[in-house]
Amino acid sequence: DAEITQSPRHKITETGRQVTLACHQTWNHNNMFWYRQDLGHGLRLIHYSYGVQDTNKGEVSDGYSVSRSNTEDLPLTLESAASSQTSVYFCASSEAPSDEQFFGPGTRLTVL
Amino acid sequence: AQSVSQHNHHVILSEAASLELGCNYSYGGTVNLFWYVQYPGQHLQLLLKYFSGDPLVKGIKGFEAEFIKSKFSFNLRKPSVQWSDTAEYFCAVNAHNAGNMLTFGGGTRLMVKP
Repeated sequence: DAEITQSPRHKITETGRQVTLACHQTWNHNNMFWYRQDLGHGLRLIHYSYGVQDTNKGEVSDGYSVSRSNTEDLPLTLESAASSQTSVYFCASSEAPSDEQFFGPGTRLTVL
Repeated sequence: AQSVSQHNHHVILSEAASLELGCNYSYGGTVNLFWYVQYPGQHLQLLLKYFSGDPLVKGIKGFEAEFIKSKFSFNLRKPSVQWSDTAEYFCAVNAHNAGNMLTFGGGTRLMVKP
């Protein structure tokens, strides 16, 4: 069955370190998304991609970057982790930009 | 910018009670509407969606939602909740001609007491 996987599932890091969160989907979807989930804010869009070599900023993109070198993967990089980036991060993909999104299991990131 | 409001942040019900969770959005154009559920410790799963047609949409596990365009609302309902419905519920809106990005509400935490 097609799925989205995220790794690691839990990560503790220190302020200032670079961190990369992996997202891999086997749906063969062109559209992929990264969200962060914080209490009271629901999910907020960080970055998204509509295809290989395409990346776009979302609502809360400062301090984050993504790259899309193939259809299956959209890694999220925190260039210099900050305590404000402690959150749960979800990756998602969809067949069409406006269609249902399928979510990964999430990565809980703690920045000390 | 479009916004999605879920006015009930926490709801506590007893089993067999009826449920209605409110969702209002601000965008006036054509929209796709979704309700997602997140069970404790799990990822988001789709409950139901509305794209067009009958404004009363039926989803999984006995949930339904009604799109009322004049009220910019897409409320979620279930006639009789179960303990297993304890979860967080998110309304989400995709506005056409507005970047096709999905905007989520802040979520409603539902606790069902056995």
